[in-house]
Amino acid sequence: SQQGEEDPQALSIQEGENATMNCSYKTSINNLQWYRQNSGRGLVHLILIRSNEREKHSGRLRVTLDTSKKSSSLLITASRAADTASYFCATDVGAGANNLFFGTGTRLTVIP
Amino acid sequence: KAGVTQTPRYLIKTRGQQVTLSCSPISGHRSVSWYQQTPGQGLQFLFEYFSETQRNKGNFPGRFSGRQFSNSRSEMNVSTLELGDSALYLCASSVLPGLAGGRVNEQFFGPGTRLTVL
Repeated sequence: SQQGEEDPQALSIQEGENATMNCSYKTSINNLQWYRQNSGRGLVHLILIRSNEREKHSGRLRVTLDTSKKSSSLLITASRAADTASYFCATDVGAGANNLFFGTGTRLTVIP
Repeated sequence: KAGVTQTPRYLIKTRGQQVTLSCSPISGHRSVSWYQQTPGQGLQFLFEYFSETQRNKGNFPGRFSGRQFSNSRSEMNVSTLELGDSALYLCASSVLPGLAGGRVNEQFFGPGTRLTVL
């Protein structure tokens, strides 16, 4: 089974609004990462937050991590049509390994 | 610097056949990981190679295998294809395996190979 579950599965907003996606995971983690995937294409790394961090910013992205609740959220502010994509959280639970466990993904549609 | 390249981009096979997919990592990257993405199971880790050695393997049957060459290029092979093997196969490269030297090594993903099994 997958490591993470994301909520909501799909989100549709107007351009300029903020989008919030949530990710929950099951076991202790070293790091949590967020990726973006345009329809049927490869994944683009957005941001990484370490297990000892609580919040991180990168441009219009804000990620929070609550290890006590085993959850993370991704906020995209002032969304643009080009933000339309699927967003995945991924955790790495093994030391020295590149095997990421991905969430189920949130499909974001930004309406111009 | 060129990104991760995967060939072929699209592939159609029939049940029982075998298939080989190729991944060329970013120049200088020595770690290659493979993932399978399906609508039902999402993104799942297949295996990871570093310096021509398999370092980690996901929970997939032995029909799924891979290898890495001395130039870091990697191939994965699926034998006796089943309908359920239809998926997008993604490869990712990184400089070193994860957490090497105490740092998380970002993985760069290729565009994927879309495999359809009829």
